[in-house]
Amino acid sequence: DTAVSQTPKYLVTQMGNDKSIKCEQNLGHDTMYWYKQDSKKFLKIMFSYNNKELIINETVPNRFSPKSPDKAHLNLHINSLELGDSAVYFCASSQTSNYNSPLHFGNGTRLTVT
Amino acid sequence: EDKVVQSPLSLVVHEGDTVTLNCSYEVTNFRSLLWYKQEKKAPTFLFMLTSSGIEKKSGRLSSILDKKELSSILNITATQTGDSAIYLCAVEAGGAQKLVFGQGTRLTINP
Repeated sequence: DTAVSQTPKYLVTQMGNDKSIKCEQNLGHDTMYWYKQDSKKFLKIMFSYNNKELIINETVPNRFSPKSPDKAHLNLHINSLELGDSAVYFCASSQTSNYNSPLHFGNGTRLTVT
Repeated sequence: EDKVVQSPLSLVVHEGDTVTLNCSYEVTNFRSLLWYKQEKKAPTFLFMLTSSGIEKKSGRLSSILDKKELSSILNITATQTGDSAIYLCAVEAGGAQKLVFGQGTRLTINP
């Protein structure tokens, strides 16, 4: 029973391509997130959506566009991929109406841009 | 700018040793501090701390928050090789729904 699942697990692509990563959670949470983990293991928030509404949009290039068709799904589309986009991208979810609800992470998508 | 700093960045010990990992923070509107363990894939939740001085414990792991010193420690006693992982500290700050992570401590337990 995977709580937060993302696909694909691995993505290898060339510079300039456009790619998407999908995320789904079956926890009934109201908020979903995208985090980026660089080679030094630093996790940084990119976006968060609460009930399909964009709440957090950190300083991320506008080549990155999140889309939330419903509160159980949050996809990430990346246009014109660059070498520096290589990282592990984690989807996460939480129930923000429950103050004690921690983030639950997916297993990550390792993106390699060549 | 909100900031979370962990130390040490890397720690290698022998099985059976006790370790203490540190986390300090400078954030606006602190709400909670969380510890996560990351092995090969997703970070998994360990503790959430909101009140100063109250120890949270789970088996051989324990953690405590000091709001006066803006810091937290994570203790692991009688370490085992399965404790080898990156331990991440994160602080919820500046309103809800945003976690600021430290750079992690890579803990290696040698048999």
